[in-house]
Amino acid sequence: DTGVSQDPRHKITKRGQNVTFRCDPISEHNRLYWYRQTLGQGPEFLTYFQNEAQLEKSRLLSDRFSAERPKGSFSTLEIQRTEQGDSAMYLCASSLLPAGSQETQYFGPGTRLLVL
Amino acid sequence: AQSVAQPEDQVNVAEGNPLTVKCTYSVSGNPYLFWYVQYPNRGLQFLLKYITGDNLVKGSYGFEAEFNKSQTSFHLKKPSALVSDSALYFCAVRDENYGQNFVFGPGTRLSVLP
Repeated sequence: DTGVSQDPRHKITKRGQNVTFRCDPISEHNRLYWYRQTLGQGPEFLTYFQNEAQLEKSRLLSDRFSAERPKGSFSTLEIQRTEQGDSAMYLCASSLLPAGSQETQYFGPGTRLLVL
Repeated sequence: AQSVAQPEDQVNVAEGNPLTVKCTYSVSGNPYLFWYVQYPNRGLQFLLKYITGDNLVKGSYGFEAEFNKSQTSFHLKKPSALVSDSALYFCAVRDENYGQNFVFGPGTRLSVLP
């Protein structure tokens, strides 16, 4: 399968613990996005990378959240000192930016986080 | 800032009938508009997009959408619904003036009844 993959698919943690999620984009894609989706809502943009550079961050991304894409391939999203309000589905998407066009994002299956 | 509204939480339609899932948007610049579908336990799948050009956009699985600038709408349509079309549908917009911040609507659950 050559789509976007995310690991783990599910994570249960206790409040105050740190968690890290991984996203592997489609191999030639240069852009990578992170979203958060809660029940009954659409995905909310968190941040995006072009290659290894983090170019944009949402106000939703508090200082407990950090994302990296060190080699311009896979990305990690870490949440420190988790809170119950962090419980959500975390989605990753990737896209290829061709010249002169608006790229399409392709989504992974998501990581469902439950903070107890 | 940009925003998206999907005025219907739920749309029910009989198999074989035409379906419409509504989306309206608000942007300050030119909009880039998208429709995605989400099946249970699966990621969002791209259906179609409007960037520029023809107002009627054709996409995957027989879906199409019409961009209406005066009504700021981008409704999703299909001439004949299938039971397998039952899923959660999301409209999304990106304002050309606001970087890569895609904004998704809250979603509309489509149920196609046999």
